[in-house]
Amino acid sequence: AQKVTQAQTEISVVEKEDVTLDCVYETRDTTYYLFWYKQPPSGELVFLIRRNSFDEQNEISGRYSWNFQKSTSSFNFTITASQVVDSAVYFCALSEATNNDMRFGAGTRLTVKP
Amino acid sequence: ETGVTQTPRHLVMGMTNKKSLKCEQHLGHNAMYWYKQSAKKPLELMFVYSLEERVENNSVPSRFSPECPNSSHLFLHLHTLQPEDSALYLCASSQDTQGVGNTEAFFGQGTRLTVV
Repeated sequence: AQKVTQAQTEISVVEKEDVTLDCVYETRDTTYYLFWYKQPPSGELVFLIRRNSFDEQNEISGRYSWNFQKSTSSFNFTITASQVVDSAVYFCALSEATNNDMRFGAGTRLTVKP
Repeated sequence: ETGVTQTPRHLVMGMTNKKSLKCEQHLGHNAMYWYKQSAKKPLELMFVYSLEERVENNSVPSRFSPECPNSSHLFLHLHTLQPEDSALYLCASSQDTQGVGNTEAFFGQGTRLTVV
């Protein structure tokens, strides 16, 4: 069964610092999908990115960037020049093409202090 | 404004009560999901409905009973719950009927349930 590990339970940074959230996954499928979601205090999970297993290109979206490395089964997320509004819990998730279950990591609580 | 709306946002119920959680999606999606988020465990998938048919039930206790009357509405009926069922219950929807991972899921804000 698939598994997602987010080893960092909590991270605290000062505004404008760069921060990287780690995500390591396990799967036996060759076709799978990786996700990052943000959960602000309001509760809903906000979709950030989806990446399929055949696309290892790194992606940048504004201050956000993602580094997908199949060799290390990692899909890390970096926020550049962090802002207070980035404070939230961030979840990495994995879904295999052969089933309906999106398996989430335990989440990393990011606090950005002014 | 979220395209997935959940009501109520907060619910306190006794162990002998019967209550229902409601989820409505305004995105034209054809698959809907219930997730449970508790302090002790990562997000857990409870139920999946695709085209109003239940396609997945991850061994959820029978005190949780889902209902999907149409592709826009999803309910979770609760009865004789236990204190350990206290959690945030999140509803999600997606366009793809092939599986929750084939396209991104959109989540509601959740119902914070407390069982006393």
